[in-house]
Amino acid sequence: DQQVKQNSPSLSVQEGRISILNCDYTNSMFDYFLWYKKYPAEGPTFLISISSIKDKNEDGRFTVFLNKSAKHLSLHIVPSQPGDSAVYFCAATPGGTSYGKLTFGQGTILTVHP
Amino acid sequence: KAGVTQTPRYLIKTRGQQVTLSCSPISGHRSVSWYQQTPGQGLQFLFEYFSETQRNKGNFPGRFSGRQFSNSRSEMNVSTLELGDSALYLCASFKGGPTDTQYFGPGTRLTVL
Repeated sequence: DQQVKQNSPSLSVQEGRISILNCDYTNSMFDYFLWYKKYPAEGPTFLISISSIKDKNEDGRFTVFLNKSAKHLSLHIVPSQPGDSAVYFCAATPGGTSYGKLTFGQGTILTVHP
Repeated sequence: KAGVTQTPRYLIKTRGQQVTLSCSPISGHRSVSWYQQTPGQGLQFLFEYFSETQRNKGNFPGRFSGRQFSNSRSEMNVSTLELGDSALYLCASFKGGPTDTQYFGPGTRLTVL
């Protein structure tokens, strides 16, 4: 029972273009959502997060959109750079005292071509 | 400021043995969570400790246990190792509040032969 799903195992984009990574969830108790980036042999690095009371959050080149009714979130990277090539994970948590319990998607491998 | 550190980075054990992994959180962080990453199951939550108490628990068998010390350092233990326990074990630390950023360590790669 996968509560957080990233249906695209991989995504390839050209440098300077937009990268859009998608994530769906099924658990209505999830209250807070996060995106992490992971390089091989390293731990995940936090990118951006969004609370369920918002529908958009921006941080530099990264924007996360949340559609609660569709139980869908997406990460937009504009413009994409070759250094963005990594595995991207979305994660969700019920928040509150359960905030430390993250449920992760399977990841999407992003490749940005020069 | 120093990041989350995990020791050892690599470990090879045989079936039936037990293993202890260590995680030192960022200074000032009171919460430590542990995750298992495998190719088949992805990243799965094991448990979280906050101020020396287990605050959240995932769906892993009792062979997986953990503890946290007064300085917030945490250890996880796996007893009676099985081949399927081969994985990357990651820990994450944060201050403890509901929107604090969680920072991950580099992980311990455990291989069970």
